[in-house]
Amino acid sequence: AQSVTQPDIHITVSEGASLELRCNYSYGATPYLFWYVQSPGQGLQLLLKYFSGDTLVQGIKGFEAEFKRSQSSFNLRKPSVHWSDAAEYFCAVGAKAGTASKLTFGTGTRLQVTL
Amino acid sequence: DGGITQSPKYLFRKEGQNVTLSCEQNLNHDAMYWYRQDPGQGLRLIYYSQIVNDFQKGDIAEGYSVSREKKESFPLTVTSAQKNPTAFYLCASSIGINRDNQPQHFGDGTRLSIL
Repeated sequence: AQSVTQPDIHITVSEGASLELRCNYSYGATPYLFWYVQSPGQGLQLLLKYFSGDTLVQGIKGFEAEFKRSQSSFNLRKPSVHWSDAAEYFCAVGAKAGTASKLTFGTGTRLQVTL
Repeated sequence: DGGITQSPKYLFRKEGQNVTLSCEQNLNHDAMYWYRQDPGQGLRLIYYSQIVNDFQKGDIAEGYSVSREKKESFPLTVTSAQKNPTAFYLCASSIGINRDNQPQHFGDGTRLSIL
């Protein structure tokens, strides 16, 4: 069965600083990987996805992620964080379930941004 | 605008009561999902449906039931058998049939509390 580990429960960065959120996955085949962001009391918004091809994936809001098969990692990065990026971030790995797609989520990383 | 609508946003349940959470989508998606979110545990899959009149149990289906009578609707009933129902419930959908591992789109959630 697939699994996702987000080792950092809580991260604090200063506005304008760079950001890297870690994600490690376990999956038997080529993984389908996603990063979602959640503001308090809201649903999840897709930041970016990796299916195949170029291992550096660009997403919305200036985020990018790099797939590294040798390290089973899919870390999320942003060169310069804005105060509005404060939220909870979830990494997920997808597996086919018939014609649906079952996602397994990590436990999330809460990002705090200081001014 | 297309999207997923969950209602109500807040719901209170008395002990021994069944309650039903609504989820409607106008994205013309075939697949729909229900997740439960608890602090520090990420999202866990309750039920999913690949197509109308079909659904499968997820990882934590005990104490829950669903129906899929219409493509647009996937209501979740939290039964009295669910001993710890207090949580944030998220509904999602994806394109489904013939489209491998497309991302899931989420509603804004329903917070269920026990009186």
